[in-house]
Amino acid sequence: DAGVTQSPTHLIKTRGQQVTLRCSPKSGHDTVSWYQQALGQGPQFIFQYYEEEERQRGNFPDRFSGHQFPNYSSELNVNALLLGDSALYLCASSLDVREEKLFFGSGTQLSVL
Amino acid sequence: AQTVTQSQPEMSVQEAETVTLSCTYDTSESNYYLFWYKQPPSRQMILVIRQEAYKQQNATENRFSVNFQKAAKSFSLKISDSQLGDTAMYFCAFIHDSSASKIIFGSGTRLSIRP
Repeated sequence: DAGVTQSPTHLIKTRGQQVTLRCSPKSGHDTVSWYQQALGQGPQFIFQYYEEEERQRGNFPDRFSGHQFPNYSSELNVNALLLGDSALYLCASSLDVREEKLFFGSGTQLSVL
Repeated sequence: AQTVTQSQPEMSVQEAETVTLSCTYDTSESNYYLFWYKQPPSRQMILVIRQEAYKQQNATENRFSVNFQKAAKSFSLKISDSQLGDTAMYFCAFIHDSSASKIIFGSGTRLSIRP
């Protein structure tokens, strides 16, 4: 049973560029959440997707957007990249939108130069 | 606002010893869940143990147990018979039961197990 998979594992971009990160949830899970983990800090909630809609959002600017596809996979898009966007981006999935037990992927390490 | 505080940035113990990681949280909610997550060098967040706030009994999972003090808003993790594979970052986390997925994490404790 495949767990949560994320791609790519590492990414280097320059300021002002746009980036797309991808996530496939654990088999049987229909809810996907995204977290940003800056170096030396705990993860911070970006947003949650369920039934192809954004259901909850953390304190992140509109430059951060997402999408969920009919197969429950998800993308995180970040526009106009800033140096401060450099972080590990973690995807988590759960059985349904009210389930608090999350399964995490290994993340995408984004470096903005 | 809900917050989670971990006051020990780093800890180091000898293999087979017992270690306790501290965590305090602040919330005005009555229904919530508390977690300890482990993040090894592979970067994947792994759930170690989970506690429902309405349960008075402390959760246990093999060598891992918690001391949940609801009135004091304290949630410590005890690791017994520590093993080299326990070396990792440990994050205390909180979630309100109506905000599933929106987990609030502490800043983490880096635990090193020495051979």
